[in-house]
Amino acid sequence: DIQMTQSPSSLSASVGDRVTITCQASQDINNSLNWYQQKPGKAPKLLIYDAYTLQTGVPSRFSGSGSGTDFTFTISSLQPEDIGTYYCQQFDNLRQITFGGGTKVEIK
Amino acid sequence: QVQLVQSGAEVKKPGSSVKVSCEASGGTFRGTFSTFKITWVRQAPGQGLEWMGGIIPIFGTPNYAQKFQGRVTITADESTTTAYLEVRSLRSEDTAVYYCAREAPISGAFDIWGHGTIVIVSS
Repeated sequence: DIQMTQSPSSLSASVGDRVTITCQASQDINNSLNWYQQKPGKAPKLLIYDAYTLQTGVPSRFSGSGSGTDFTFTISSLQPEDIGTYYCQQFDNLRQITFGGGTKVEIK
Repeated sequence: QVQLVQSGAEVKKPGSSVKVSCEASGGTFRGTFSTFKITWVRQAPGQGLEWMGGIIPIFGTPNYAQKFQGRVTITADESTTTAYLEVRSLRSEDTAVYYCAREAPISGAFDIWGHGTIVIVSS
């Protein structure tokens, strides 16, 4: 199975800060990488798919980049409503799916 | 409104089984239920997300994460636009919130999620 290493596991930043999360795949996954936000007690919400495509209705301060094995998720200007845990997710050509370990984002 | 509605919370004894349902509702979604993959993801308390497997109802053949092969069965009923997850031989480590989600066909992204079903395994 492809392993996804996500970092950091948590971060604390101020409102307006630029926040970056990385995800590294154990092998080349092209751009088969998606990003989710999860708030406590709620189901995850899709933010970015295919590494960099913004899901409909998601604010443009969220963005994604990368391909192959290294991917980055960015919040350009952190807002109070952005607190939560963020996960990357990949799927391989056998439709086996794995998630990263998650990054908990808090406001400083 | 397009949504996935899951069955209610369950409390089970170790060694028993549980079956969780996930019904698709909302005009267009119901009409395309058979052609979209419904996938199951679980989350243990304080832990991350874990993919379990999924099924495209029109094909009927599920695929599973290796970890769950032989202990989990995923099925779907096109007539009621409902998918099911059965987990057998429950143990305390299966205590988790179980989510169903719709998987977009090309991106493999989960764009619609159910609200989650809490399953507690306790003697």
